[in-house]
Amino acid sequence: GAGVSQSPSNKVTEKGKDVELRCDPISGHTALYWYRQRLGQGLEFLIYFQGNSAPDKSGLPSDRFSAERTGESVSTLTIQRTQQEDSAVYLCASSLTPTDNSPLHFGNGTRLTVT
Amino acid sequence: LAKTTQPISMDSYEGQEVNITCSHNNIATNDYITWYQQFPSQGPRFIIQGYKTKVTNEVASLFIPADRKSSTLSLPRVSLSDTAVYYCLVGDGRGSTLGRLYFGRGTQLTVWP
Repeated sequence: GAGVSQSPSNKVTEKGKDVELRCDPISGHTALYWYRQRLGQGLEFLIYFQGNSAPDKSGLPSDRFSAERTGESVSTLTIQRTQQEDSAVYLCASSLTPTDNSPLHFGNGTRLTVT
Repeated sequence: LAKTTQPISMDSYEGQEVNITCSHNNIATNDYITWYQQFPSQGPRFIIQGYKTKVTNEVASLFIPADRKSSTLSLPRVSLSDTAVYYCLVGDGRGSTLGRLYFGRGTQLTVWP
């Protein structure tokens, strides 16, 4: 079946511009997650959705970052006034349920480059 | 959150068995242990998950001692395509914070011909 899909796969933007990153999770998965991965680093948790609600926003690095999810499906991560330190791969994952024994299914990420 | 410690890198040759050990001294009673594999330019992929003793699937085996303070991922007869980063994750047992699992930098496994 279809996996997690992210778009665009690559995005180059100028410093100060806003960007929107999209994630289409696996159908029926109630939980959706956003992570950030800088070059050569591990994954940094950003935000998690249960249905359309985000009970845990603790990982968002600043108020320039926001995310929403609609229809218990598609999610959008928005970064306003991008900075060079925002350059990274942004990974989306979904899981059937938000419990420890429900594995995460990841997309291939959006590589964001801020020039 | 229970954090994990694993080697930064490992090398092996094709056909050998590889064992990657992860330490998680602060693991909680309800935590699961999960391993993921990541290839360049791809998101991590679930490999195996366990709670105690031994779990085996078509890809790997996971050994967890009785105290659960460590776990070992075993990859039998590795091939060049097993070259990847391997992450060990431990849940915090509350069932609703899977997204906050600590991935760390993982173990870069390089398989040589």
